[in-house]
Amino acid sequence: DAGVIQSPRHEVTEMGQEVTLRCKPISGHDYLFWYRQTMMRGLELLIYFNNNVPIDDSGMPEDRFSAKMPNASFSTLKIQPSEPRDSAVYFCASSSGHRDSPYEQYFGPGTRLTVT
Amino acid sequence: SQKIEQNSEALNIQEGKTATLTCNYTNYSPAYLQWYRQDPGRGPVFLLLIRENEKEKRKERLKVTFDTTLKQSLFHITASQPADSATYLCASRGNTGFQKLVFGTGTRLLVSP
Repeated sequence: DAGVIQSPRHEVTEMGQEVTLRCKPISGHDYLFWYRQTMMRGLELLIYFNNNVPIDDSGMPEDRFSAKMPNASFSTLKIQPSEPRDSAVYFCASSSGHRDSPYEQYFGPGTRLTVT
Repeated sequence: SQKIEQNSEALNIQEGKTATLTCNYTNYSPAYLQWYRQDPGRGPVFLLLIRENEKEKRKERLKVTFDTTLKQSLFHITASQPADSATYLCASRGNTGFQKLVFGTGTRLLVSP
């Protein structure tokens, strides 16, 4: 398996532009997570899905952020409009297992977003 | 709110020694703790999981302990090697959903030859 795939790996955009980050989870995994990592705040969970359904989006900073999972093999995280404070590394992760079983999460390589 | 704390200062040790990293948690009692390794420019990689009813878990040169009285987990790397240099993250279950993890900020380990 190729692991979790994210694209693009790097994104530089100007303030106010729309940014779309993409993720392909590991085949067969039924949980998908979006994280943001910064030096100041560390790794923060933004939202996670179970069987393509959003379960907890309490970490989404504000309405400028939205995430979708139209099918089991694809998810997007969109920021519109983007702001300089959104600059961070965004990770997608996936895992499998039953609700009461804390299986490990497999992370993608991340997308480094820079908003100027 | 739930909080996971790790020493933000880098840990410098000599090759061959045992590295010990600390993870403290407050305001809740996690059912389990996970440890991840992160190399620069890469995503975290899962290493070990320990449940609240387990005192210790081992995997090759790695050992994790879980002390629910002290609200602390210790992560040990024995016979450390320069290749062990990385940032190590502690994570535990959040307050909703067994699969939701709350991560500490990580401790950077530097192993000198």
